[in-house]
Amino acid sequence: QQQVKQSPQSLIVQKGGISIINCAYENTAFDYFPWYQQFPGKGPALLIAIRPDVSEKKEGRFTISFNKSAKQFSLHIMDSQPGDSATYFCAAGGLTGGGNKLTFGTGTQLKVEL
Amino acid sequence: DAGVTQSPTHLIKTRGQHVTLRCSPISGHKSVSWYQQVLGQGPQFIFQYYEKEERGRGNFPDRFSARQFPNYSSELNVNALLLGDSALYLCASSLDQQGVREKLFFGSGTQLSVL
Repeated sequence: QQQVKQSPQSLIVQKGGISIINCAYENTAFDYFPWYQQFPGKGPALLIAIRPDVSEKKEGRFTISFNKSAKQFSLHIMDSQPGDSATYFCAAGGLTGGGNKLTFGTGTQLKVEL
Repeated sequence: DAGVTQSPTHLIKTRGQHVTLRCSPISGHKSVSWYQQVLGQGPQFIFQYYEKEERGRGNFPDRFSARQFPNYSSELNVNALLLGDSALYLCASSLDQQGVREKLFFGSGTQLSVL
């Protein structure tokens, strides 16, 4: 019930291409879906987040698509750059079930090649 | 402005020992959460504290405990360390307005190695 499944585990994209990472959740009590970017030796940093009342949110080159009925959401990185090479985590949060906690996916290691 | 600061950055302990990790939230943030990140996995929720009270606890054994101080800084304590406790321990802070979803700001973590 608390799992967030993320795919792919790793991704290689050419510079200028589109990177797509997918996540699925089970618990319908989740009401907040952020994406985090993590560089080696650093903590995760929030990229973009969406709530289930909208189907898409765009911030710069980053877009979240959200499908409530399918319980799936995805991150699209347009015009991918070598500086985007990092590990990306989807997460889901709900105010029920013990605090303001996030349940994270297992991560996607993105490499953007020149 | 300083971000979330954690100390120490690295720590090596042996099995059976205990460890204390420290976190200072962003100025003005009243909520601190702790996460454990095992290599190759996503962070896993351990605790959330707000105004010195525990708001939530993840699925971790009683060997894990935490507290929050009047200045909103926090400590995570782990007793009777096991090899499996080796991980990056992340602290995150937020303003935590009641009932409002907020951005979590993570520190760079404490890398704990248990030998």
